Amino acid sequence: ETGVTQTPRHLVMGMTNKKSLKCEQHLGHNAMYWYKQSAKKPLELMFVYNFKEQTENNSVPSRFSPECPNSSHLFLHLHTLQPEDSALYLCASSQPQGRETQYFGPGTRLLVL
Amino acid sequence: DAKTTQPPSMDCAEGRAANLPCNHSTISGNEYVYWYRQIHSQGPQYIIHGLKNNETNEMASLIITEDRKSSTLILPHATLRDTAVYYCIVPQGAQKLVFGQGTRLTINP
Repeated sequence: ETGVTQTPRHLVMGMTNKKSLKCEQHLGHNAMYWYKQSAKKPLELMFVYNFKEQTENNSVPSRFSPECPNSSHLFLHLHTLQPEDSALYLCASSQPQGRETQYFGPGTRLLVL
Repeated sequence: DAKTTQPPSMDCAEGRAANLPCNHSTISGNEYVYWYRQIHSQGPQYIIHGLKNNETNEMASLIITEDRKSSTLILPHATLRDTAVYYCIVPQGAQKLVFGQGTRLTINP
């Protein structure tokens, strides 16, 4: 247990569906991250939030919409996804001072049909 | 920003020390080296990090060469549960962990 939880752990959705991924951290951190890991590819940083404000969007398509209502919760809203969006989506948290260690959740395995 | 180079795969016998090398020849003076690992289909797990001195914690030891152009992660007594992909990372700016392909370490019984 890293103190970062993600739900659901597995998700299957159609291309016309709307779904949301949830991440919660119990570490008192003020920075939260979304990463994507496609099959056979390295992890890719998607979004960074510091103190609830988005500070990084790594050219992510608008069909992925993040939300950070407070420093403990992070959501990734999904709509009109494509099959190539199937991947493991990982959430992480840290303190926002730059060199702070990031702690990862277990991930949500997403399959888009 | 420094990039890292790691061997794609390594094998180690259970109970022996696993030594995982990493080259980061373009690292600058104030950049840290971080090691994470990812067990199959799980989230990455932080192992250790260092600047220029050798570091040790309950999981591993990190040996950084004097010129800081390379480092070695040492798992002193590898177990089957240490089978994972190990990532050597020099953060590419604040909060930017860039994961490469890492080293797939297999611990054999």
